[in-house]
Amino acid sequence: NAGVTQTPKFRVLKTGQSMTLLCAQDMNHEYMYWYRQDPGMGLRLIHYSVGEGTTAKGEVPDGYNVSRLKKQNFLLGLESAAPSQTSVYFCASSYGVGNTGELFFGEGSRLTVL
Amino acid sequence: AQSVTQPDIHITVSEGASLELRCNYSYGATPYLFWYVQSPGQGLQLLLKYFSGDTLVQGIKGFEAEFKRSQSSFNLRKPSVHWSDAAEYFCAVGAIGGYIPTFGRGTSLIVHP
Repeated sequence: NAGVTQTPKFRVLKTGQSMTLLCAQDMNHEYMYWYRQDPGMGLRLIHYSVGEGTTAKGEVPDGYNVSRLKKQNFLLGLESAAPSQTSVYFCASSYGVGNTGELFFGEGSRLTVL
Repeated sequence: AQSVTQPDIHITVSEGASLELRCNYSYGATPYLFWYVQSPGQGLQLLLKYFSGDTLVQGIKGFEAEFKRSQSSFNLRKPSVHWSDAAEYFCAVGAIGGYIPTFGRGTSLIVHP
């Protein structure tokens, strides 16, 4: 069972470069999320989506963009990477109607911005 | 607004000792409560969840948690810790129909041999 798959798992960027993180889920989940995890800060929600074609801002959206063109995919983009965006990024998904808040996580993508 | 507090940033225990990780939440109605575990270099995995009914819930890997409404707590316990339990533990609260769970900042468990 694949579950939630993130690519790439590791990436090093130079300041100002752009990149896209891809999240794919095969559970037919309606909701998808992007979090970042930094030491001592726990998980912080960047953006989320409650269905195909919809996106919304989370707690720390600045510097990121997202798209949900297909139900199974949720893309996180960095247009001009900054060292402050060095972090571990996690994608998660959850059920739609009747959702209880239980999330299914990918294994993470570690991004370093030099 | 809902919130979750994990008062302990780090907990150190000896292998074979018992464990209790604290979680306090703030929510206006009956919450849905979760504990997740994150092993080094891995994503988060659900340990257990509470929706309703019996306030003592059993999870994977021998963990259990007790919901105490009067104390707004959902503490995680294990009677005998194994070295492989060393990880980061996150408590989270959700709500029926809601889709943005709130996470605590996590507790790092260190296990001494």
